Amino acid sequence: DAGITQSPRHKVTETGTPVTLRCHQTENHRYMYWYRQDPGHGLRLIHYSYGVKDTDKGEVSDGYSVSRSKTEDFLLTLESATSSQTSVYFCAIGEDTGELFFGEGSRLTVL
Amino acid sequence: AQSVAQPEDQVNVAEGNPLTVKCTYSVSGNPYLFWYVQYPNRGLQFLLKYITGDNLVKGSYGFEAEFNKSQTSFHLKKPSALVSDSALYFCAVSPNTGRRALTFGSGTRLQVQP
Repeated sequence: DAGITQSPRHKVTETGTPVTLRCHQTENHRYMYWYRQDPGHGLRLIHYSYGVKDTDKGEVSDGYSVSRSKTEDFLLTLESATSSQTSVYFCAIGEDTGELFFGEGSRLTVL
Repeated sequence: AQSVAQPEDQVNVAEGNPLTVKCTYSVSGNPYLFWYVQYPNRGLQFLLKYITGDNLVKGSYGFEAEFNKSQTSFHLKKPSALVSDSALYFCAVSPNTGRRALTFGSGTRLQVQP
């Protein structure tokens, strides 16, 4: 395994509540990513980080924020969860070669 | 902006027959191209990549892919399919300069019948 863990793996929450997903790596990779996977859409990039405190938006960043205060952790926050954010969220890590290693996913249900 | 198209939602093939999963891309400049596979309830796993050089790239589990610059395609192939190859396959692209942010296609489900 690539040394990447996501937590929680499953979460059910209510509309309007804040949610934070955590991605932790032990590989010291420069890049960290958050994707969401939805049927018919494949994987869509939410945010990514190219270094500590260096982040950038992806194609579906509205309603999400991220933070990376140290190399090993990348947090994804939904400030006020909505039903449209029900999805499976994947964290990935990698280097400039572009090959990514994915976590096992976090399934989020917003009621 | 970069994009990837996988025109087939599902590909069905009989075990032992060759398989092809199609992918076309759009990116500024020269691309880095990738194929990933996803098994049920798992994260994606890297299969192979094209960065430069030989247009035919060989990867894991007997898969290969052919880069065609004029057609902006990167089709995944395997000479003889196995039932265990049944999974969801994703093509991805990133630019070869600047920050590495992969854009994925919508995925193609491969079903190999015994």
